[in-house]
Formats: sequence, C-alpha cells, structure tokens
Amino acid sequence: GAGVSQSPSNKVTEKGKDVELRCDPISGHTALYWYRQSLGQGLEFLIYFQGNSAPDKSGLPSDRFSAERTGGSVSTLTIQRTQQEDSAVYLCASSRLLGQGETQYFGPGTRLLVL
Amino acid sequence: AQSVTQPDIHITVSEGASLELRCNYSYGATPYLFWYVQSPGQGLQLLLKYFSGDTLVQGIKGFEAEFKRSQSSFNLRKPSVHWSDSAEYYCAVGPLRGNKLVFGAGTILRVKS
Repeated sequence: GAGVSQSPSNKVTEKGKDVELRCDPISGHTALYWYRQSLGQGLEFLIYFQGNSAPDKSGLPSDRFSAERTGGSVSTLTIQRTQQEDSAVYLCASSRLLGQGETQYFGPGTRLLVL
Repeated sequence: AQSVTQPDIHITVSEGASLELRCNYSYGATPYLFWYVQSPGQGLQLLLKYFSGDTLVQGIKGFEAEFKRSQSSFNLRKPSVHWSDSAEYYCAVGPLRGNKLVFGAGTILRVKS
C-alpha cells in the first residue's frame, strides 16, 4: 500500500521567504509527526498530531514554525521568514495510533535549502 | 533525560563480514527500542523493534538486535553484510510523551565489496 508521502522533495528558497511543506500520511493513521534532520543536530522531534490536534508545540524551534493538520489527514509545516539555519531535511511520520510503542512510518523527507 | 548514544560515527566492513552496531540508552522505565535504516536520499525504514519478551529480536534484511537491560544496550547485528547494507543506521528509544522518538546520532556503515 501507499506509504507516507511528502512534497516537495526539494525546496530552495531565499532567506526571509515563507515555505510550506506538505505531508500525506498513510491512510487511516491517526497520529502524525514532524522531525527535522540537520547536520550537527541529528534527528530532532518537532511536533505531533493526534487527529487534527497538536497538544504539545514545545518542540518547534521558534515561533516562525507552525503546523496544522486538516481532516485528520494531510499536514502542512510552515516556516515563516526562513533563516539559513532552517536548512535541513524535514521528515514526516505517521502511526496507526498514538500510544506506547506504535511504529512510526517515515516519508522520504523534504530537503530545504535556505540561501 | 532520555537519551540514546551510538558511539560509532562511521564503520567500514568488508562484504561478507559480520557486523555489530552499538546503541546505549538512558531511560527510567522499560524502554521501547527501535532500529531504523536510512539510505541516501531516502526516509527512515524500520528494521526492528523491541517492546518486551524475548530479548533477541529479529528484523528485516537479516538483521537482529539484542536487548540487554543490565548494560542498557540494544546492539544491532548481522552475520554477513552485503554491499547494499551501506547506509546510515539510527537507534531510537520511546515511548515518550506523545510517542515521540529520541534518536541517536546515527552510524554510517560502509560495506566494501
């Protein structure tokens, strides 16, 4: 079956521009996660959704980052006024349920480069 | 705080040799442990996971891992590697609030043919 998909696969933007990254989870998965993978920082957790709700936004690096999920499916991660330090691979994952040990299935990521 | 340590940043082995990738974790309760593999330009693929029960866990692609509570370790092994195993390997621990995973820094494996 279809896995997690993300778009675009690559994004190059100029410093100060806004970008939107999209994630399509596996059909029927109620939980969705965003991670960031960057040199020197490894894989860091950003935010998770249970349905359309994001109970904990403390993992977002700054208030320039926001995320939403609509219809319990697609999620968008928005970065406003991008900075060079935002350059990274943004990974999305989904799991069937939110709970202990639920396997998270990852998408291929969006590689963001801020010039 | 929960953490995962992968002591080896790079490992090079010859094709056909055995492999062990190390992972140590710090976690107050019984952990859920995962190994993921990431090939260049790809997302993370789950190799195996440990929840409870047998401490030796079998995964895909011929990998296995052994949970040792006394050593806080969850090392990944493969008896005979193939050049296609060249990739980056991540150990992760959960569950944490919201089921988020905490990842180690990763180990880059290069298999020489």
